[in-house]
Amino acid sequence: LAKTTQPISMDSYEGQEVNITCSHNNIATNDYITWYQQFPSQGPRFIIQGYKTKVTNEVASLFIPADRKSSTLSLPRVSLSDTAVYYCLVGENRGNKLVFGAGTILRVKS
Amino acid sequence: DAGVTQSPTHLIKTRGQQVTLRCSPKSGHDTVSWYQQALGQGPQFIFQYYEEEERQRGNFPDRFSGHQFPNYSSELNVNALLLGDSALYLCASSLKRQGGRANEQFFGPGTRLTVL
Repeated sequence: LAKTTQPISMDSYEGQEVNITCSHNNIATNDYITWYQQFPSQGPRFIIQGYKTKVTNEVASLFIPADRKSSTLSLPRVSLSDTAVYYCLVGENRGNKLVFGAGTILRVKS
Repeated sequence: DAGVTQSPTHLIKTRGQQVTLRCSPKSGHDTVSWYQQALGQGPQFIFQYYEEEERQRGNFPDRFSGHQFPNYSSELNVNALLLGDSALYLCASSLKRQGGRANEQFFGPGTRLTVL
């Protein structure tokens, strides 16, 4: 599975838009990009998944350039409750094992 | 609709002992995966069960074994516990043929295992 690289941590303030970029230079043709969110003492939660261009849901947007070697998770107008670890995963969309990296710790301040 | 449930929430064992962790998947789900999460790290895949058989396995020794029952619930067994087995053990459920978001797994709150 393609290896991913994310920033270790990011700080933001309430109401700001947060963009977390993930690099996956070795992404394969059949690979999808999936993002999970994890709060302390909880299991990860699926946020969004995409293959190319842009995907948007009620929680976030995912931007994927044409070469697919990176992706950006965009969280609009974050609140304190968005403080969590965000994981970028790359792999085939087959419901098999998920490969997590270390993730990005997002701290939202008031 | 109950989500994924796990038991117990916390467990303390000593080295060499054996432990069994339990998981009930989200209603309607037929696939259960287990993950180990050490402090400060991302979850690491242990194995996945579907139709009562182990379908995929991560890089974990044979001390880690599992089972899936006809009602889709699952157990994770760890024998000969080591200090390094201390971690949060997460169970995730999914539906094998759910189409577009096949990589969406629903995680339980985990079992915190401490080995002394």
